[in-house]
Amino acid sequence: DIQMTQSPSSLSASLGDRVTISCQANQDISNFLNWYQQKPGRAPKLLIYGASTLETGVPSRFSGSGSGTYFTFTISSLQPEDIATYFCQQYDYLPLTFGGGTKVEIK
Amino acid sequence: EVQLLESGGGLARPGGSLRLSCTASGFTFSSYMMTWVRQFPGKGLEWVSAISGSGGHTFYADSVKGRFTISRDNSQNTLYLHLNNLSADDTASYFCARDRFCSATSCYRDKLLFDPRGQGALVTVSS
Repeated sequence: DIQMTQSPSSLSASLGDRVTISCQANQDISNFLNWYQQKPGRAPKLLIYGASTLETGVPSRFSGSGSGTYFTFTISSLQPEDIATYFCQQYDYLPLTFGGGTKVEIK
Repeated sequence: EVQLLESGGGLARPGGSLRLSCTASGFTFSSYMMTWVRQFPGKGLEWVSAISGSGGHTFYADSVKGRFTISRDNSQNTLYLHLNNLSADDTASYFCARDRFCSATSCYRDKLLFDPRGQGALVTVSS
């Protein structure tokens, strides 16, 4: 199974800050990587697919980059509604696997 | 707009059974592989099972193989997960998701799409 290592597990930032999360796969997954936002009690919401493609309707302050084994997710200017947990997920091979999540809080 | 609505969760005894359902709309259901993902109380996400668009191919995580059965009814746009021989380790919220696009002969890697309005189906296994 492909292991996805996500860091940090939590972070605290001020409104307007740039926030970056990383995700590393233990083998090459090309660009078959998604990023999700999850709020309590809800299913994950897809933000980025194909490592860097913004899902329709998602604000442009969210972005993703990387390929192969190392990926990053960025919020360019943190907004109050961005308080959530973020997950990466590879879809190159079954079983699909997820990172451990990053909880983003306001400082 | 993709809509997915899970139902059928509840309390089960160890060794017991449950059936989860997922009703889909907003896309051509039979053209997509469908997937179940669960989220444990500690918040980790685990892929559980997937089924091809036709229903002819099924896939399972090792942790549920032989105990869970995935199926679908394309005439009703509904996905199912039958959970048997449940244990406390199966306690989780179960989410369905639209997976890869399937042609008549192959399925192609595609984004995994949940419905963020959904709460999933909560399964609690306890004596």
